[in-house]
Amino acid sequence: DQQVKQNSPSLSVQEGRISILNCDYTNSMFDYFLWYKKYPAEGPTFLISISSIKDKNEDGRFTVFLNKSAKHLSLHIVPSQPGDSAVYFCAASYYTGRRALTFGSGTRLQVQP
Amino acid sequence: GAGVSQSPSNKVTEKGKDVELRCDPISGHTALYWYRQSLGQGLEFLIYFQGNSAPDKSGLPSDRFSAERTGGSVSTLTIQRTQQEDSAVYLCASSLVVAGTGINSPLHFGNGTRLTVT
Repeated sequence: DQQVKQNSPSLSVQEGRISILNCDYTNSMFDYFLWYKKYPAEGPTFLISISSIKDKNEDGRFTVFLNKSAKHLSLHIVPSQPGDSAVYFCAASYYTGRRALTFGSGTRLQVQP
Repeated sequence: GAGVSQSPSNKVTEKGKDVELRCDPISGHTALYWYRQSLGQGLEFLIYFQGNSAPDKSGLPSDRFSAERTGGSVSTLTIQRTQQEDSAVYLCASSLVVAGTGINSPLHFGNGTRLTVT
């Protein structure tokens, strides 16, 4: 049972354009969401997070939107740069006395120069 | 060190042998996680340690897998009688936990151990 889903395995955009990566979740108990970026042969690195009390969080070129009613979040990258080319994972968690992150399967973003 | 350190970075083993993978978390991080990523797949949760609490082992795929965390710091993931389907990148991560809230700081991952079972 995949509780966090990234239905697009890959995405290609032109440099300077907007990249939109999507993520859906099924567990309504999730209250904290994160995006990670992963380059080949490296571990994932944290990008941006959002708590369920918010619907938007912005950090430079990266913005995460959360739609709780639709159980959907998205990551917007504007403007996209070739160095953004990587695999992006969304992750979610909730508190049960402790937390563990549940990850999606990832979306490979390719930004074309 | 400044980050999460994993060793070895690569491990090739024969089917049926046991392997041990090591993780040194960031100093002071009370939460430690093991994940694995099989070829073309996402990150699969294996086990989670938080302070002195009993670990969450719900992600371990079989009883051939075990992990321990000594002194609240270094962790070892052991796979007994390895099978070819165990081939994957095994990732360790650590984080801080804000006491009483369960809010984790974002996970800091190591670069992983690439395990190949021949």
